[in-house]
Amino acid sequence: KQEVTQIPAALSVPEGENLVLNCSFTDSAIYNLQWFRQDPGKGLTSLLLIQSSQREQTSGRLNASLDKSSGRSTLYIAASQPGDSATYLCAVGPFGGGATNKLIFGTGTLLAVQP
Amino acid sequence: DVKVTQSSRYLVKRTGEKVFLECVQDMDHENMFWYRQDPGLGLRLIYFSYDVKMKEKGDIPEGYSVSREKKERFSLILESASTNQTSMYLCASSLRGSRDTEAFFGQGTRLTVV
Repeated sequence: KQEVTQIPAALSVPEGENLVLNCSFTDSAIYNLQWFRQDPGKGLTSLLLIQSSQREQTSGRLNASLDKSSGRSTLYIAASQPGDSATYLCAVGPFGGGATNKLIFGTGTLLAVQP
Repeated sequence: DVKVTQSSRYLVKRTGEKVFLECVQDMDHENMFWYRQDPGLGLRLIYFSYDVKMKEKGDIPEGYSVSREKKERFSLILESASTNQTSMYLCASSLRGSRDTEAFFGQGTRLTVV
């Protein structure tokens, strides 16, 4: 059974720092991997999606990498800002479930960027 | 701008009530999902639907049912609400059968059962 883990559970950094959030998964047979952001009491906002054949995706100050063989993904945030404070979740779409792409989520990393 | 809309942000219901949570998407997506989110447990899939009138159980379907009569609308039904169903409920949708399909989420419904 696929399990997704995010470490650390919480992270606090000063404004301007570059940071890396980690996501690991136990079964490397995945369809894709998606990173989300969740603000308190709100829904999820999609940040980046990486297909299983890709190694990385970039959007603005965000860069997500995928290493299927080691079961790992990282989300790199450059020049962090207080507005980046949120919970970040990764989710994998399991291979074989591609038509429906039922995502399996990690429990998230709560990021606080201090001004 | 793509949109998944959940009918309520906050709901308070009494134990034993029948509760309907509604979700509408405007992206012509085939797939729709209902998750619940609890502290320490993350998001868990309750039910999903890959077409009109089609549904499949997720990981925690007990105490819930769903309805999908139209492609854009997916309803979650709590037949007899219980206090352990107090949670944040999240609806999502996605295109079917593509590696680059993203899942889009609604704003969430915070349900409290008293």
